[in-house]
Amino acid sequence: EVQLVESGGGLVQPGGSLRLSCAVSGFTFSDHYMDWVRQAPGRGLEWVGRMRNKVRRHTTEYAASVKGRFTISRDDSKNSLYLQMNSLKTEDTAVYYCVRGKDGSCFDDWGLGTLVTVSS
Amino acid sequence: DIQMTQSPSSLSASVGDIVTITCRASQGISNSLAWFQQKPGKAPKSLIYAASNLQSGVTSKFSGSGSGTDFTLTISSLQPEDFATYYCQQYKSFPFTFGGGTKVEIK
Repeated sequence: EVQLVESGGGLVQPGGSLRLSCAVSGFTFSDHYMDWVRQAPGRGLEWVGRMRNKVRRHTTEYAASVKGRFTISRDDSKNSLYLQMNSLKTEDTAVYYCVRGKDGSCFDDWGLGTLVTVSS
Repeated sequence: DIQMTQSPSSLSASVGDIVTITCRASQGISNSLAWFQQKPGKAPKSLIYAASNLQSGVTSKFSGSGSGTDFTLTISSLQPEDFATYYCQQYKSFPFTFGGGTKVEIK
């Protein structure tokens, strides 16, 4: 069974940092592209970024709203994906989802999400 | 960026109804279009990819069609568990973008 479990969310002050983790099981993590998607309270879905697999040299793409502040990384030996978030703003408050990529393009399975609240 | 526009933003329907949701891209995206279902307080669930292909394990009462800029999601014989918010998403080019969502409510 495919599982993606996010952790690391919580309350942080504006300007602060937080690192989210996504632990996966049930599939060969190293083969897959992985994405982060977020959802602000009561709002729609917003794509945050993607990290490709080792074959594609773990290259990344980011949304303009987070580029330069957020960094995606992964440890294939630990079946884990990470999202380092720096210089956090109140508008970064959201549930953050880890998503498995499918066929190098679209999305497949989603994690349960972890809530990040940026507030003073 | 490619803008995705869903309509309607909400609808009321009865159990057994056929429901159609539309999604329009601001430029051509071929068939790089996905649909997701989200229930309150839950993570989204992938339903359809490549405009018309069902994800593994998704019931065939969901169907998708379209290409280029205009797409539809159809739910046949609406059941209580289908009341949710549905999102379309383009993955033709970065940044990936989602439609604003369509909330399907019980009439």
